[in-house]
Parts: sequence; structure tokens; C-alpha cells
Amino acid sequence: EDQVTQSPEALRLQEGESSSLNCSYTVSGLRGLFWYRQDPGKGPEFLFTLYSAGEEKEKERLKATLTKKESFLHITAPKPEDSATYLCAPLSGTYKYIFGTGTRLKVLA
Amino acid sequence: EAGVAQSPRYKIIEKRQSVAFWCNPISGHATLYWYQQILGQGPKLLIQFQNNGVVDDSQLPKDRFSAERLKGVDSTLKIQPAKLEDSAVYLCASSFEPGTEAFFGQGTRLTVV
Repeated sequence: EDQVTQSPEALRLQEGESSSLNCSYTVSGLRGLFWYRQDPGKGPEFLFTLYSAGEEKEKERLKATLTKKESFLHITAPKPEDSATYLCAPLSGTYKYIFGTGTRLKVLA
Repeated sequence: EAGVAQSPRYKIIEKRQSVAFWCNPISGHATLYWYQQILGQGPKLLIQFQNNGVVDDSQLPKDRFSAERLKGVDSTLKIQPAKLEDSAVYLCASSFEPGTEAFFGQGTRLTVV
């Protein structure tokens, strides 16, 4: 059975305090892994797609990496506007996104 | 580029009533998804369309939920009759083709009382 686990469930950081979010997965025929950001009351917003182990993508203070079992979202020197829920979604061999429950990030000024 | 449009934004109904949600995807996107997101959880796929055909509806409670995508563009999701546990945000998303990034609408927050 396809499974996705994100940790931690919630994370509070001081502005400028770097950290990493984890996404562990067991998915048949993985075709890619997607990261989304979700603000309260809004739909998820696309951040990155990773297709193969060893691949890295960067956008501003965020960097996503992928291994065969996990993906990490590294956040460097975060700002309060980075506060959101971050969702990972591996794409299965049948082109089905399997969303994790997310990590709620709060960055304090 | 216009995003995914959904309506209504909010809906409150009594249990056993019916409700319908509407979605207009990004122009040219062949794949359309309906997700259910319960508070504190990630989105759960209800149904996936490719053009106007159903690709995956394995997690759609077919005794009460139905969805259609006429002419491969707009889509509607209906619940009849609603139960208390259907209270959630219903998200519509679209992508150019399977495997590409999905773009989400703002969702419809349904409260069943």
C-alpha cells in the first residue's frame, strides 16, 4: 500500500533559524515527487517537482532534495512570510498524487 | 493566466440535504481532480478525469457522491445525501497532462450540520 509520512507535524522557528522538513514515502512506480505550500483558507500552491534520486531544486530560501525513500525540504534563514503548511505528494505509477498530512511551519519575527 | 475557479467558496447545509460544487479548470488542461481535505489532513483524491473520461474514482463514495465533466472542461461534484462526516474543504485541481504539476482552486468549505 502506498504511504507518505511527513515530519514533524508542526515546527516553530525563529526568523533566520534554518531547518529541514522530511517526507518519507513508499509508493509503487514513483514517477516524481511534488512539494506544495498551503496557506490558510487557500488551495495548495506548487513549489517543486523532483524526478530522480539525487536531484535538487531551489527557490529563494527553499531547497528540495530526493532520495529513493525520502525527500527533504530545507529552509534557509526563514522569514515570517514562509509560515504555511508544506505538503509533499509523491506521484504513483498510476499517475495518482498521494498527499502527506503536511508540516505546519510557523516562523516567528 | 487565469487560475482554477471554484464556487461556491462556502456552503452550510443540514445532513441529508444535497449540495453541488462547480469547477472551471485552467484552459487547455486535460486532467481534472477533485480532492477532499479534512481539517488537519492532506488532500485525498476523490476522482480524476482525463478530458471527460474518469481515470480514477476508487476513493469516491459512490452511494452518495457523483461527479461529471461535460465536454472535457467544467466539472461538478455532487453529494446527496450529505452526512456530518462530509464536512471538509473540497478542492478542484487541474494539470496539463498526468504527471505534470497540478494547480489548485481556492476550494469550497462545506459544513454539514
